[in-house]
Amino acid sequence: KNEVEQSPQNLTAQEGEFITINCSYSVGISALHWLQQHPGGGIVSLFMLSSGKKKHGRLIATINIQEKHSSLHITASHPRDSAVYICAVSHSGGGADGLTFGKGTHLIIQP
Amino acid sequence: EADIYQTPRYLVIGTGKKITLECSQTMGHDKMYWYQQDPGMELHLIHYSYGVNSTEKGDLSSESTVSRIRTEHFPLTLESARPSHTSQYLCASSDWGGGNTIYFGEGSWLTVV
Repeated sequence: KNEVEQSPQNLTAQEGEFITINCSYSVGISALHWLQQHPGGGIVSLFMLSSGKKKHGRLIATINIQEKHSSLHITASHPRDSAVYICAVSHSGGGADGLTFGKGTHLIIQP
Repeated sequence: EADIYQTPRYLVIGTGKKITLECSQTMGHDKMYWYQQDPGMELHLIHYSYGVNSTEKGDLSSESTVSRIRTEHFPLTLESARPSHTSQYLCASSDWGGGNTIYFGEGSWLTVV
């Protein structure tokens, strides 16, 4: 069983909608990462957080350490936001060796 | 912007061939990693390195090997490719410390026929 569970697995929405992707994990962590992967492309790190909330442009990430839960929000979604969003948790110093990945949420934003 | 590069991006090779996937980063990072990702599945760590002459196997068993002769370079080699090696291979790097971002390459799509 994967220690990191994401929901939903697939999400299709209309341009402009507010998007929420959820991530739950079952072990203690030192940090949680949200990553974005475009089709055929590499992966871009969106956020790394260990508490509270971070915002970058139209993206907001929150984490609740007690509930072992994080959410990624996209405001005013746009077709260019279509991608796979991956949640990953870090068990050690924050580098990639201690990362456990979720299976990703496939997001499609239709114009 | 990430300064980590992988070549080739796409490769189709025959069974039994030897292949090396290249990964280079210009950020001076000591930590480098190779992940394997099958379509629709999560990433799995297959190799990592903490610096020159340091290499370790990851969580997922792999028949590939790696080397780290220079800080910026972390190639992955398959001595005899098989169809089961068909997958995407992603290279990543990060610096020491809990607050550092992970940078990923664009990935190498390998198909063994």
